[in-house]
Amino acid sequence: QKEVEQDPGPLSVPEGAIVSLNCTYSNSAFQYFMWYRQYSRKGPELLMYTYSSGNKEDGRFTAQVDKSSKYISLFIRDSQPSDSATYLCAVFHSGNTPLVFGKGTRLSVIA
Amino acid sequence: DVKVTQSSRYLVKRTGEKVFLECVQDMDHENMFWYRQDPGLGLRLIYFSYDVKMKEKGDIPEGYSVSREKKERFSLILESASTNQTSMYLCASRQGSGGYTFGSGTRLTVV
Repeated sequence: QKEVEQDPGPLSVPEGAIVSLNCTYSNSAFQYFMWYRQYSRKGPELLMYTYSSGNKEDGRFTAQVDKSSKYISLFIRDSQPSDSATYLCAVFHSGNTPLVFGKGTRLSVIA
Repeated sequence: DVKVTQSSRYLVKRTGEKVFLECVQDMDHENMFWYRQDPGLGLRLIYFSYDVKMKEKGDIPEGYSVSREKKERFSLILESASTNQTSMYLCASRQGSGGYTFGSGTRLTVV
């Protein structure tokens, strides 16, 4: 079983839709959870960073972590064409251990 | 903002050549990482470094080596390039348990 599983998509939605992106992970020792956005031919950029279970909101983006079910989500409200990108989830244990990434979900928001 | 600069965006090399990929960060981060990114395989960790002259193998170190002589610079070396090393190479830096800052990537083609 892969450490982090993520549906690769592609996911295509109309502008203004609510988008839900999800990952599952296998190791309950993971405590830190992140979402990265990667535009075509660019490096990933950090979008959201959460520690332990709960929700975190930043503008149109909400990150949700459910450690009991080992499930992490990113919600995008009022999606825009500029949100079209690949979204990667990432997890790690503690300290400065390397991140473990999902394979990414490609999202297209159609105007 | 932290900047991670990768020396080349695109590189074409011949099989058997020794290839150097350079990465420089400007925020005094202790930790630096090299990943490769391939369609369907996601980001895979090649090597990482917690400090000057320190290195740790990642998940796929075979065929690669690294050098970190100065804190701000982390070099990836392909000792004898092969066609299966054609990929997007991403460098990242990080302080402690923070998120990664990625460079823009180097798309390497080995012919």
